[in-house]
Amino acid sequence: DAGVTQSPTHLIKTRGQQVTLRCSPKSGHDTVSWYQQALGQGPQFIFQYYEEEERQRGNFPDRFSGHQFPNYSSELNVNALLLGDSALYLCASSLEGGRRGTEAFFGQGTRLTVV
Amino acid sequence: KNEVEQSPQNLTAQEGEFITINCSYSVGISALHWLQQHPGGGIVSLFMLSSGKKKHGRLIATINIQEKHSSLHITASHPRDSAVYICAVRLDYNNNDMRFGAGTRLTVKP
Repeated sequence: DAGVTQSPTHLIKTRGQQVTLRCSPKSGHDTVSWYQQALGQGPQFIFQYYEEEERQRGNFPDRFSGHQFPNYSSELNVNALLLGDSALYLCASSLEGGRRGTEAFFGQGTRLTVV
Repeated sequence: KNEVEQSPQNLTAQEGEFITINCSYSVGISALHWLQQHPGGGIVSLFMLSSGKKKHGRLIATINIQEKHSSLHITASHPRDSAVYICAVRLDYNNNDMRFGAGTRLTVKP
């Protein structure tokens, strides 16, 4: 049983470009959450997708958008990249929106470097 | 002030030592997670707690809901325990959002 898989593992982009990160949830999970982890800091919640809709959003600008597909996989898109967007982007999957009692499983992350 | 505070930020121990990492939070929560992050970034969930105490091998996690405090203990520490340990809380009023501490970097020397 594959856990949460993210692609790519590493990515280098130029300021102003756009990037798409991908996440496949753990088998049986239907909810995907995205987090940004800057160097030396704890992860920050970006948003969560459930039933192909954004259910909750953290304090991130509209440059950050996402999508969830019918197979529950998800994409995170960042437009007009800034140097400050350089971070580890983590995806976590859970069941039914992370309702009480269900555990989240994390992927290995995508390390994005903006130059 | 962060909603989730961890201490210490960095911890160096000798192999075999008993280790304690603390987490305090200031918001209502439905559950607290202890996570382990190795170099390279992948996060592994160690425990999810809503009350009391859990044990898994050499790892023990406790939580005191009234005091809004949790501890992660590692008995008979080993160099392979070296990692960043992160405390994360699932908010009480919104189960979709998790808030994370900044992490405790543990180094266990042989």
